[in-house]
Amino acid sequence: NAGVTQTPKFRVLKTGQSMTLLCAQDMNHEYMYWYRQDPGMGLRLIHYSVGEGTTAKGEVPDGYNVSRLKKQNFLLGLESAAPSQTSVYFCASTDSGFEQYFGPGTRLTVT
Amino acid sequence: AQSVTQLDSQVPVFEEAPVELRCNYSSSVSVYLFWYVQYPNQGLQLLLKYLSGSTLVESINGFEAEFNKSQTSFHLRKPSVHISDTAEYFCAVSDRRSSASKIIFGSGTRLSIRP
Repeated sequence: NAGVTQTPKFRVLKTGQSMTLLCAQDMNHEYMYWYRQDPGMGLRLIHYSVGEGTTAKGEVPDGYNVSRLKKQNFLLGLESAAPSQTSVYFCASTDSGFEQYFGPGTRLTVT
Repeated sequence: AQSVTQLDSQVPVFEEAPVELRCNYSSSVSVYLFWYVQYPNQGLQLLLKYLSGSTLVESINGFEAEFNKSQTSFHLRKPSVHISDTAEYFCAVSDRRSSASKIIFGSGTRLSIRP
């Protein structure tokens, strides 16, 4: 039981490049979330999903898109990366019991 | 809407000393409350939670937190800290009625333990 996994762990992008972050969970959870973590700001919700085929905007959705084609996967896309998107990205999931299970994070640097 | 304020961004303490990490929340509805811990270079893990019942909740590694509704606080305490408690601690709140189980996190408190 791997829990929540994230791919890749590290990435460096140039401004304007695109990329996709993959989150996978093997706990059969309905709800999945993408957060970004910046120093002194805690975690801010980017997008979330309450089930396969659904997505919704969080607190800071601009510049990101998501898809949940399969229940176990939640993809976060950056179409045109900007330096302001330099951050650590965390994926989480829950079965609606309010305890969220987090992945190990992806450290993204945009130059 | 809910919000969470963690009053201290950093708390340095000596090993075996007591510690209190402060958390206040704001909400117009009933909430669930959480403390998450993030060890260096890792994701967040749930430390303890208040859902209902006893206002004092405990973790398996000696931390406790008390829900104080009148003061809208959920401070985290430990009577004697270890080097291994070095981490960042996040207080979080969730609307009980939320259909998406969304959680609002505080900005975090970095606990550093000195030998």
